[in-house]
Amino acid sequence: GNSVTQMEGPVTLSEEAFLTINCTYTATGYPSLFWYVQYPGEGLQLLLKATKADDKGSNKGFEATYRKETTSFHLEKGSVQVSDSAVYFCALRPDSNYQLIWGAGTKLIIKP
Amino acid sequence: KAGVTQTPRYLIKTRGQQVTLSCSPISGHRSVSWYQQTPGQGLQFLFEYFSETQRNKGNFPGRFSGRQFSNSRSEMNVSTLELGDSALYLCASSLLSGGGPEQFFGPGTRLTVL
Repeated sequence: GNSVTQMEGPVTLSEEAFLTINCTYTATGYPSLFWYVQYPGEGLQLLLKATKADDKGSNKGFEATYRKETTSFHLEKGSVQVSDSAVYFCALRPDSNYQLIWGAGTKLIIKP
Repeated sequence: KAGVTQTPRYLIKTRGQQVTLSCSPISGHRSVSWYQQTPGQGLQFLFEYFSETQRNKGNFPGRFSGRQFSNSRSEMNVSTLELGDSALYLCASSLLSGGGPEQFFGPGTRLTVL
C-alpha cells in the first residue's frame, strides 16, 4: 500500500544551522510528493511540491528533491531561522487516486 | 481571494452531546476534505465532498458525518461525543475531486470534549 514515513521529532536546532528532515515513501506508480508546514495555532500550508522523479521543489529557502531510486523526498534548508519553528508534514498523492497520504509530522524547534 | 474559513474556531462540549462544524471553501473550489488532527494519531482523513456528494471516506465510525451544500460550503457533524473526539478538525478545499491539484487548509476548529 501507500505510506509515508518521516523522521521523528522534535528536531531542535540553533539559528543558522542546516536543516534536513527525512521523508521516505512507499507507493505504486508515480506519485506526486508534497511538504506542508503548520505554524502554531494555524492550519496547514503547502510549502513545496514535486510531481515527477528528479524534480526539485523549492520555496522560502526550503528545497526537496524527488528521488525515485531511494523513494525519498527529504526537506532541506541551508540556514534556519526562529520563524521556521513549526510542524512539517510530508505527503504523497498516489498515481491511481488523488487523496493525500500523510506522514506523522516532524516538529522543528529553532533556538536563537 | 479569501481563504478557507472554519467556524467556530473553538468549541467545548460534554460527552454525549453532538456538534456541528462549518467550512467555507475558497470561491470556485468544489471539493472539501475534512481531517482530524490529534497528538497521538496525527492527521487522519475523515471524508471528502465534491459537488454535494461524498467521494471518499476514511476509517471513522458512523458518528462522524458530513454534508455539502450547493454553494460548496460543508458541515461536519459528530454525534454522541466521546472524550477521544477532542482534536483539531481541519478542512481543506481544492478545485478537483480528491484534493487535486492542491489543497488549501483552513485554520481549524479546536474541539474539547469534557
